[in-house]
Amino acid sequence: DVKVTQSSRYLVKRTGEKVFLECVQDMDHENMFWYRQDPGLGLRLIYFSYDVKMKEKGDIPEGYSVSREKKERFSLILESASTNQTSMYLCASSPTQGASTEAFFGQGTRLTVV
Amino acid sequence: QKEVEQDPGPLSVPEGAIVSLNCTYSNSAFQYFMWYRQYSRKGPELLMYTYSSGNKEDGRFTAQVDKSSKYISLFIRDSQPSDSATYLCAMILSYNTDKLIFGTGTRLQVFP
Repeated sequence: DVKVTQSSRYLVKRTGEKVFLECVQDMDHENMFWYRQDPGLGLRLIYFSYDVKMKEKGDIPEGYSVSREKKERFSLILESASTNQTSMYLCASSPTQGASTEAFFGQGTRLTVV
Repeated sequence: QKEVEQDPGPLSVPEGAIVSLNCTYSNSAFQYFMWYRQYSRKGPELLMYTYSSGNKEDGRFTAQVDKSSKYISLFIRDSQPSDSATYLCAMILSYNTDKLIFGTGTRLQVFP
């Protein structure tokens, strides 16, 4: 079974803190993605990566950065957390470029910024 | 106008009913269509995907794509309480792009 593991299920952080969300996949997938999910807005793509040290902006990259130093790990960084970044964050992976019909998601991290 | 529209529900049906979940979209260039199921406080899991127009069946689930109407459907036969979840449709432009465009999801409740 493909497994995408996000390091935390729930996080509470203060405004202005630097926040790291970690994601690890165990199936040697090339692609990894970070989405946020908000009521009424659905899933929106923040960043994605096709390979180690590569990254591409999604639809809403402002206020976020990412890091992919190893193939299996993709980190989302909130440089200075703000209350409007309170959301459910979902990591996903898929086997190769052009294979997002087979994307697998982690369990999600519910982040609250106070 | 959103690229993908989906009625948020909730849709409440009795056990054993046939459920129809739908999405409409505006970009006629979409070629691949996916359905995900998301249980409360969990990540989405892929149910099935189809390419272009036509039907695809997997057990109690049937996905249908009508590209001429820009309309996709997921049918669930003999619905069970365990089917209670939010169902998300998603689409991508072609096999060479990876950007999934999601609907907002429809919440389904199947009561015994």
